[in-house]
Amino acid sequence: DAGVTQSPTHLIKTRGQHVTLRCSPISGHKSVSWYQQVLGQGPQFIFQYYEKEERGRGNFPDRFSARQFPNYSSELNVNALLLGDSALYLCASSLAWVGGYTFGSGTRLTVV
Amino acid sequence: QQQVKQSPQSLIVQKGGISIINCAYENTAFDYFPWYQQFPGKGPALLIAIRPDVSEKKEGRFTISFNKSAKQFSLHIMDSQPGDSATYFCAASRDQNSGNTPLVFGKGTRLSVIA
Repeated sequence: DAGVTQSPTHLIKTRGQHVTLRCSPISGHKSVSWYQQVLGQGPQFIFQYYEKEERGRGNFPDRFSARQFPNYSSELNVNALLLGDSALYLCASSLAWVGGYTFGSGTRLTVV
Repeated sequence: QQQVKQSPQSLIVQKGGISIINCAYENTAFDYFPWYQQFPGKGPALLIAIRPDVSEKKEGRFTISFNKSAKQFSLHIMDSQPGDSATYFCAASRDQNSGNTPLVFGKGTRLSVIA
């Protein structure tokens, strides 16, 4: 069975641009969460979606948004990119909206 | 305010030795405490997890010890191997019927096991 898949694996953007990151959860998993991992730090919670509804939002500015589609895949959008947005963006899926998270390998975003 | 404090930041252990990583939490509402292992270029992978109704959980060479009164938990890796060299993260969350349950991570411990 495929795990959590994220695309793209790497990308480079310029300050001020917009980026869309994509995540496909494990088959059967209905919850998707997004985390930001800055180099040398632990992952920080950005969003959680369950059954296409936002169930939680971390302490991130409104430039960050996300959505979940009927097939439970998800997109994370970041507008007006800043240098400080450079990080590994991780997607995690779970069966329900509690516990049992499985992480993807992430998208490495570099903002120049 | 950091809700989960992890130490040490880095750790070097001889092959066959015991690796010990400690975490302390502040929020008494936390009731799910997982440990994740992360290799370079990969996402975190769940290693072992514990709930506060037990004081210890063992899976193979990995053991979690949990002290609810001290709000501390630790990971012990017995017979450490070079393949265990990775970054380890403790985390905490509220689980099951408790509402929003994002994981709160520690800052990580980079473990190097040398031969």
